[in-house]
Amino acid sequence: ETGVTQTPRHLVMGMTNKKSLKCEQHLGHNAMYWYKQSAKKPLELMFVYSLEERVENNSVPSRFSPECPNSSHLFLHLHTLQPEDSALYLCASSQDLRAPVNTIYFGEGSWLTVV
Amino acid sequence: AQSVTQLGSHVSVSEGALVLLRCNYSSSVPPYLFWYVQYPNQGLQLLLKYTSAATLVKGINGFEAEFKKSETSFHLTKPSAHMSDAAEYFCAVSEAQKLVFGQGTRLTINP
Repeated sequence: ETGVTQTPRHLVMGMTNKKSLKCEQHLGHNAMYWYKQSAKKPLELMFVYSLEERVENNSVPSRFSPECPNSSHLFLHLHTLQPEDSALYLCASSQDLRAPVNTIYFGEGSWLTVV
Repeated sequence: AQSVTQLGSHVSVSEGALVLLRCNYSSSVPPYLFWYVQYPNQGLQLLLKYTSAATLVKGINGFEAEFKKSETSFHLTKPSAHMSDAAEYFCAVSEAQKLVFGQGTRLTINP
């Protein structure tokens, strides 16, 4: 059983819909991440949160809006997406961004299809 | 900026044969290096990591990797492939407390 849980595992949405992806980590970590995994592309870091504060936004379009209400939960709010946004969205966590070795633990991902 | 290059997007081996997945890194400082595995329809699972202690790192499921500074490599090996090893494998380097991933290598095991 993974220490990082993502819901839903699969989501199909229209381009005008608004939906959210949810992530919860049970590891007591201080940092959380959203990654995007598309076919034929390397894993792309989207956002990084440390102690509920966003520390990185990797040039992600504004139609993706992250929210981190506490160190255990991370959301990715989606609105007016494009078909090319269809991908596997992976949530991850790590103990502390200040740690010398920052091992990242991933959830099982949310498969998003935009129609 | 640090980066990793995985040589070969697809590797196919027979069951029981040696598995060798190649990863070369580029880093201006001593790197921290990782191998992750992704089974179908799942997230990424940590296989092993190099943190400048021993150069030969043992991981889960019988995998190991050797850090070679002179070759800037961190290749992943397993002496005898199992059907259950079929998956995608990612090499990664730590940069500013974040991970930079390679393109991935899909490993296929032939019976």
